[in-house]
Amino acid sequence: DQQVKQNSPSLSVQEGRISILNCDYTNSMFDYFLWYKKYPAEGPTFLISISSIKDKNEDGRFTVFLNKSAKHLSLHIVPSQPGDSAVYFCAASGEDYKLSFGAGTTVTVRA
Amino acid sequence: EAGVAQSPRYKIIEKRQSVAFWCNPISGHATLYWYQQILGQGPKLLIQFQNNGVVDDSQLPKDRFSAERLKGVDSTLKIQPAKLEDSAVYLCASSSLAGAYEQYFGPGTRLTVT
Repeated sequence: DQQVKQNSPSLSVQEGRISILNCDYTNSMFDYFLWYKKYPAEGPTFLISISSIKDKNEDGRFTVFLNKSAKHLSLHIVPSQPGDSAVYFCAASGEDYKLSFGAGTTVTVRA
Repeated sequence: EAGVAQSPRYKIIEKRQSVAFWCNPISGHATLYWYQQILGQGPKLLIQFQNNGVVDDSQLPKDRFSAERLKGVDSTLKIQPAKLEDSAVYLCASSSLAGAYEQYFGPGTRLTVT
């Protein structure tokens, strides 16, 4: 039973444009959401997070939006850079701090 | 600050053989996790330790997988005997009690079972 879903396996975007990654979840007990970035042959690296008491969190070029009623979150990267080419995982957690991950979205930034 | 260390980085074994992976978490991190990531999927939690006690091992196939965290620091994950479907990347992560939601991952061990 996959509780976190990333329905777009891949995304291609031109350098300088906005990348929008989407994530849906089913468990209403999730109260903390994270995005991880993964390069080949490396472990996932924490990127940005948001608590369920907020609807937006911004960190430089990265912004995460949370819509609790729709059980949906998104990650915006503006502007996209070649170094942003990676796999992005959405993850969600409840009070037990255990992370449930989506299957990932591969982002390719074209020059 | 040193990150999460894992070894080996790559391992190829035949089915029915055994294999062990090692993880050293970030210094001071009380919680340690082992994940299995199959190609094309997100990481799936196998076991969670807090200090040297098991918090959750509900997803660990206990007939063939075992894990321990002696002295509450480094940890080993063992598979015996391995099956073809165990081919995956095994990731170790750690977190502090203060920042428990944010887990820091090691580079992983890529296991291929032939």
